[in-house]
Amino acid sequence: DAGVIQSPRHEVTEMGQEVTLRCKPISGHNSLFWYRQTMMRGLELLIYFNNNVPIDDSGMPEDRFSAKMPNASFSTLKIQPSEPRDSAVYFCASSLPSGVTGELFFGEGSRLTVL
Amino acid sequence: DAKTTQPPSMDCAEGRAANLPCNHSTISGNEYVYWYRQIHSQGPQYIIHGLKNNETNEMASLIITEDRKSSTLILPHATLRDTAVYYCIVATNFGNEKLTFGTGTRLTIIP
Repeated sequence: DAGVIQSPRHEVTEMGQEVTLRCKPISGHNSLFWYRQTMMRGLELLIYFNNNVPIDDSGMPEDRFSAKMPNASFSTLKIQPSEPRDSAVYFCASSLPSGVTGELFFGEGSRLTVL
Repeated sequence: DAKTTQPPSMDCAEGRAANLPCNHSTISGNEYVYWYRQIHSQGPQYIIHGLKNNETNEMASLIITEDRKSSTLILPHATLRDTAVYYCIVATNFGNEKLTFGTGTRLTIIP
């Protein structure tokens, strides 16, 4: 039982560079969530998928952000081009189908620093 | 428009019961109360949830008032490892419902 796996754990990049964050949900979970956490704004939901389909992306800040879930075991969050204000910890979470436990399982997060 | 209100911080002596309050006066009939916590630099961790009955698991107890407008999370014997930010959230569905985290309560367990 490996839990939700995120990579990289830490990323330092320069403004304008492309950043790709990766997430492997728990096997059997059919919902996947991307959250962003900063001191100023707390935990914000960016987007979530159900059965690999994006359901709500209203939290995605702007067109520089995109997320994909090509299959049930992998998702990416991409920022292109990155800006210093994107510096944050990005969390991925997964959950069982609706009606089971109501529990989100979070990964350890990817800490992004954009210089 | 926050659905829940929590005190920003609380202290509790190690070994004592920690009681964390949450107000959710606008909760609707089909909304559950969820509690999560986040230990420094880790991802949030689910603790417990309930609809209207009190709930207990190996981590904590959840007491929901009869009118469901408030609840209390109880950590029966707090340890130093319980120092964390505790989030109270209301949401309608299990799993697929997007959970909106507020600012939570920063609980500090004092030796």
